[in-house]
Amino acid sequence: NAGVTQTPKFQVLKTGQSMTLQCAQDMNHEYMSWYRQDPGMGLRLIHYSVGAGITDQGEVPNGYNVSRSTTEDFPLRLLSAAPSQTSVYFCASSYSSVAEAFFGQGTRLTVV
Amino acid sequence: AQSVTQLDSQVPVFEEAPVELRCNYSSSVSVYLFWYVQYPNQGLQLLLKYLSGSTLVKGINGFEAEFNKSQTSFHLRKPSVHISDTAEYFCAVMSGGSNYKLTFGKGTLLTVNP
Repeated sequence: NAGVTQTPKFQVLKTGQSMTLQCAQDMNHEYMSWYRQDPGMGLRLIHYSVGAGITDQGEVPNGYNVSRSTTEDFPLRLLSAAPSQTSVYFCASSYSSVAEAFFGQGTRLTVV
Repeated sequence: AQSVTQLDSQVPVFEEAPVELRCNYSSSVSVYLFWYVQYPNQGLQLLLKYLSGSTLVKGINGFEAEFNKSQTSFHLRKPSVHISDTAEYFCAVMSGGSNYKLTFGKGTLLTVNP
């Protein structure tokens, strides 16, 4: 079972570059979200989606865009990378708002 | 607004000792509470959750937690830990009407020593 798949696992960007972090799930989950994890900060919600075509902002949305054209995919776009976006990014999905969230393995992003 | 405070950033214990990881939350409405575990270089995995009903919740790997509404706490306990329990543990809260906004604490690193 694939579950939640994130690509790439590692990425180094130069300041100002743009890129897309991919997230796909094969569990037919309606709810998907993106978090960033920084040392001593826990996980902070960037953007989330409650179904195809519906997205909303989380706690730290600035500098990131999302779209949800299909149930399976929820890509996260960095518009113009900054060193402050150096972090580990996790995608998660769940069947409902209070159901167990399944997490991907994470993408470790370094912006230089 | 909802928030979560994990009172200890690091908890070292010896193997087979009991452990308690503390979590306090704040919310003005009814809450759903979760504990997740993260092993090194991996994503998070659900340990247990409280949605309603019995305040004592049992999870995987022998962990349990008790919801205490009056003290706004949701502490995680295990009577006897193993080396393999070494990981980071996150408490999380979702309040009724938060529209799927799960707020995590900053995490507690549990280190089990032989």
